Amino acid sequence: NAGVMQNPRHLVRRRGQEARLRCSPMKGHSHVYWYRQLPEEGLKFMVYLQKENIIDESGMPKERFSAEFPKEGPSILRIQQVVRGDSAAYFCASSHRDRVTEDGYTFGSGTRLTVV
Amino acid sequence: AQTVTQSQPEMSVQEAETVTLSCTYDTSENNYYLFWYKQPPSRQMILVIRQEAYKQQNATENRFSVNFQKAAKSFSLKISDSQLGDTAMYFCAFMKWGNTPLVFGKGTRLSVIA
Repeated sequence: NAGVMQNPRHLVRRRGQEARLRCSPMKGHSHVYWYRQLPEEGLKFMVYLQKENIIDESGMPKERFSAEFPKEGPSILRIQQVVRGDSAAYFCASSHRDRVTEDGYTFGSGTRLTVV
Repeated sequence: AQTVTQSQPEMSVQEAETVTLSCTYDTSENNYYLFWYKQPPSRQMILVIRQEAYKQQNATENRFSVNFQKAAKSFSLKISDSQLGDTAMYFCAFMKWGNTPLVFGKGTRLSVIA
C-alpha cells in the first residue's frame, strides 16, 4: 500500500520556465491538498482538490499557479514563468473522503523546487 | 482566521530526558482538531499525535503526550525518554471540523543530544 507519491523529489528550473509537480494520492483517497513550505517556515495551504474539481484555492497565488486533479492520473501543480521567490518545498497530502477526521492526512515527501 | 503560534524556534534536550514543546492557537470554532507533526531531515511529514477538541482527556502515543488546555487555547507536546531519532522539526497544526485544510505553526527545531 504505497503512500502519497510525489515526483520529482528535486526540480531545478531557470527563471521564466514552467514547473510541473506531480502527486499520486494514497489508494482509496479522493481528496488532495497542496502546501508550500518556505525555508524555516511551516507549511502553508495552497489548494484543495477532489477528482475533477477545485474545492478551495484560496491559498494559491492568482497568477502563474494552477492545479488540477483529473479523473485519471495524478494531481498536478503547475507554476508558469517561475521566479526565485517560488523556490520552496511543495507538499501534497491526501485523505479519504469520509475519514479525514479519523485518519487525518497522509503527506508525500515533497518536491523541492529551486529556481536559478 | 485561525492562527497557530509556536514560540520556541529551537530547543535541545539530553537523550533520555523529557522535553515540552509549546503551541498556542487562536480560533472562534468550538469543534476542531489539533495535531503535532514531525519533520526529520528527510522532509517527510509524520503525524505524531492528534487531539479532538471535544475530548477532555489528553491524547497519548507511547512516549508522546499532549497537554490540551481548551480554555487557554494551548496544546503542548511532551516527549519522554528522548531518543536521538526524535531530532527533527516539530509542527503544531489546527484543523476545523470537516474536511478542511491544516493550519500550521512555524515549527520548533528539536535537537536530542547524546
